Amino acid sequence: DAKTTQPPSMDCAEGRAANLPCNHSTISGNEYVYWYRQIHSQGPQYIIHGLKNNETNEMASLIITEDRKSSTLILPHATLRDTAVYYCIVRVGAGNMLTFGGGTRLMVKP
Amino acid sequence: DVKVTQSSRYLVKRTGEKVFLECVQDMDHENMFWYRQDPGLGLRLIYFSYDVKMKEKGDIPEGYSVSREKKERFSLILESASTNQTSMYLCASSLRVPGENEKLFFGSGTQLSVL
Repeated sequence: DAKTTQPPSMDCAEGRAANLPCNHSTISGNEYVYWYRQIHSQGPQYIIHGLKNNETNEMASLIITEDRKSSTLILPHATLRDTAVYYCIVRVGAGNMLTFGGGTRLMVKP
Repeated sequence: DVKVTQSSRYLVKRTGEKVFLECVQDMDHENMFWYRQDPGLGLRLIYFSYDVKMKEKGDIPEGYSVSREKKERFSLILESASTNQTSMYLCASSLRVPGENEKLFFGSGTQLSVL
């Protein structure tokens, strides 16, 4: 079973910020939150990850709530090329198994 | 940049054939993974390996086996292909470093059709 919950789809206007939520209420103290995206017909691409603090890189920002039970991926100025399925994942169990949930299909519209 | 290479982009096989899907990574990563992706079902983990000659079952290992004889290569084997194994197969690798284990690098995928 996936340990994360994401809305199945979202729309965003081009040039506006896209805020993608993820619930991970059973996350353990040492588990990182990772975000990936998959553009049609390509393999998933790493975006960003974090443990407790908010993170920012050239692609996005990650906001993690203080209780770590949810997070938000922010694309500050969405473009048409950001149209993709976005996955939020955390580790499953103590091993190396990584499970992807259904993800959020983000549609950026002109 | 890390490169994960899957041997074929498209593959067509017949029911009952033995199928090998090859994956090679060039960054000395310890962890390697095989996923399949089907419409409406997202990515499902088939097998993973965290070291040479080591393998662990994922969520859907039935009908598949794997081989990891060298660190850089992870092969997925369909012993007797069936039509329900028609899917997109994705290989990934990652470093075995706490906090970095989930930073997966994916190949471009192999679209397998079993007729």
